[in-house]
Amino acid sequence: EPEVTQTPSHQVTQMGQEVILRCVPISNHLYFYWYRQILGQKVEFLVSFYNNEISEKSEIFDDQFSVERPDGSNFTLKIRSTKLEDSAMYFCASSSGQGAWETQYFGPGTRLLVL
Amino acid sequence: GDSVTQMEGPVTLSEEAFLTINCTYTATGYPSLFWYVQYPGEGLQLLLKATKADDKGSNKGFEATYRKETTSFHLEKGSVQVSDSAVYFCALRPSNFGNEKLTFGTGTRLTIIP
Repeated sequence: EPEVTQTPSHQVTQMGQEVILRCVPISNHLYFYWYRQILGQKVEFLVSFYNNEISEKSEIFDDQFSVERPDGSNFTLKIRSTKLEDSAMYFCASSSGQGAWETQYFGPGTRLLVL
Repeated sequence: GDSVTQMEGPVTLSEEAFLTINCTYTATGYPSLFWYVQYPGEGLQLLLKATKADDKGSNKGFEATYRKETTSFHLEKGSVQVSDSAVYFCALRPSNFGNEKLTFGTGTRLTIIP
């Protein structure tokens, strides 16, 4: 069964450093998402992406964050200058369309620790 | 804005016990409702969903009914197994447009002991 993959599974970085989290969505999907979960808190929406543009973003997704689909398969989340509060599990998701019965398929997540 | 409130965990049950994990929501309009499950080391997997009031979603022995009058979508299973140990997330999507963002609850960690 097709699945969303994410790399790396764990990332440790120093405050102020740039990190890029990578995702390979399911191949025929058109909509892409990033969510995050700070330890012990809710899974929060960050951004959605369609047709090479951001469709929607949350208040969390400020100028420090960016997303890109650099080729036909990868979908990346970049944090330019990491802060301690960026430590979280980051989930990528994808879906194929707009129908009511559509489902978002999630990857296993990248656990980011900012020191 | 939209929100989902989920039963606090962790929940520990014996094998073959009856499971209920409560979920209530706040939303305008007509949201779709979901339960996702996360097994250790894996991503969020869709467990079941319902897109309109009174719909019942079911999968792997789990059920949840979309109750608009009580704004609830409680997850139930009649007889749990050790393999059901996981974290369960309730979520809503604001409408029937499949590409909209999901709003999640905090997750409930379930442990089943033999």
